[in-house]
Amino acid sequence: DADVTQTPRNRITKTGKRIMLECSQTKGHDRMYWYRQDPGLGLRLIYYSFDVKDINKGEISDGYSVSRQAQAKFSLSLESAIPNQTALYFCATSESGPYNEQFFGPGTRLTVL
Amino acid sequence: RKEVEQDPGPFNVPEGATVAFNCTYSNSASQSFFWYRQDCRKEPKLLMSVYSSGNEDGRFTAQLNRASQYISLLIRDSKLSDSATYLCVLIRKRGSQGNLIFGKGTKLSVKP
Repeated sequence: DADVTQTPRNRITKTGKRIMLECSQTKGHDRMYWYRQDPGLGLRLIYYSFDVKDINKGEISDGYSVSRQAQAKFSLSLESAIPNQTALYFCATSESGPYNEQFFGPGTRLTVL
Repeated sequence: RKEVEQDPGPFNVPEGATVAFNCTYSNSASQSFFWYRQDCRKEPKLLMSVYSSGNEDGRFTAQLNRASQYISLLIRDSKLSDSATYLCVLIRKRGSQGNLIFGKGTKLSVKP
């Protein structure tokens, strides 16, 4: 079984719709992250959480919100989706500390029409 | 100047070839460096950390040059299965924490 799972794996939606992407992990890590990946732009950090009560904005948080429901769950919401939010979204986890490997989920491919 | 820069490639090499990628970084305060590998449409996975003294893992060798602010990845005896995108990653330390900064990746295609 995968240690980091994401649902849904693929989603097509329309402009203006609210979308939630979910991430769960069984690695027991305190830290969780949401990234988006666009062709030619690489991975960019949207939000990150060092524990359930510690949530921080990343490089590109505008238009997104997150919720850390439990140590194992971190969800990303698009309140009103727009086409330029079409991208591949990855959730990741890591142990505490600044130098630890991040483990990524399989990704969610989101298309906003 | 971007914080992390990589040649996007693609690097097209025959099986058995030796290939090297460089990655330059602009922030001299960057603390740690890694190479991640990403297969097409899959998630990135850690390939190896990069240590100041250089480190080797089988056919892969990573080196760090702090004076010139670049890291490198050398792959010897390339295999078809090495075809992937290689992401240069650094950690920008903030207080006791750090955020990963990803390069855009270098695409490698190993041909029979």
